[in-house]
Amino acid sequence: GAGVSQTPSNKVTEKGKYVELRCDPISGHTALYWYRQSLGQGPEFLIYFQGTGAADDSGLPNDRFFAVRPEGSVSTLKIQRTERGDSAVYLCASSTEGNSPLHFGNGTRLTVT
Amino acid sequence: KQEVTQIPAALSVPEGENLVLNCSFTDSAIYNLQWFRQDPGKGLTSLLLIQSSQREQTSGRLNASLDKSSGRSTLYIAASQPGDSATYLCAVRPSNYGQNFVFGPGTRLSVLP
Repeated sequence: GAGVSQTPSNKVTEKGKYVELRCDPISGHTALYWYRQSLGQGPEFLIYFQGTGAADDSGLPNDRFFAVRPEGSVSTLKIQRTERGDSAVYLCASSTEGNSPLHFGNGTRLTVT
Repeated sequence: KQEVTQIPAALSVPEGENLVLNCSFTDSAIYNLQWFRQDPGKGLTSLLLIQSSQREQTSGRLNASLDKSSGRSTLYIAASQPGDSATYLCAVRPSNYGQNFVFGPGTRLSVLP
């Protein structure tokens, strides 16, 4: 079946602009995660959704970052007033409940110029 | 706070060798541990998931072990092939810090033909 889909695959934006990154999880997966990965490092947790609600948003670095999952499926990560330090690969993952594996998308590479 | 480290950071071996990758975590209270593979420019692919009650998991040429009390996991790759070249990351799901996974920085493996 289809895996986790992320769009766009690449996004270049100017400092100060607003961006939206989209994640389409595996059908039926109730848990959805956003991670951020910088070069040479492991993914860093941003936010976790269980259904429509953000169960844990403790990883969001500041109030410029926001994520939604209004119908419990597709999620959008929104970044306002982008800064050069926001440049990274943003990864989305989904899983079923309980002790189940994470399935990742290929990520969106965000470059802020 | 849970911290995950991986040693070595990079490893180069000739084709056909058996090898071991190491993962250490600071808090032994975990739900599970997962090993991933990441190819350049791609997302993470789940390899093996070990529940906290298990000591090892096997899939083909891969074997992952877990020693919770010492805060260690190893990924054993038998008869390595050039196609195994990738970055290997481990991640733990802590018991007390929400539902997110905490990742190590990864080990970059090169298998030379």
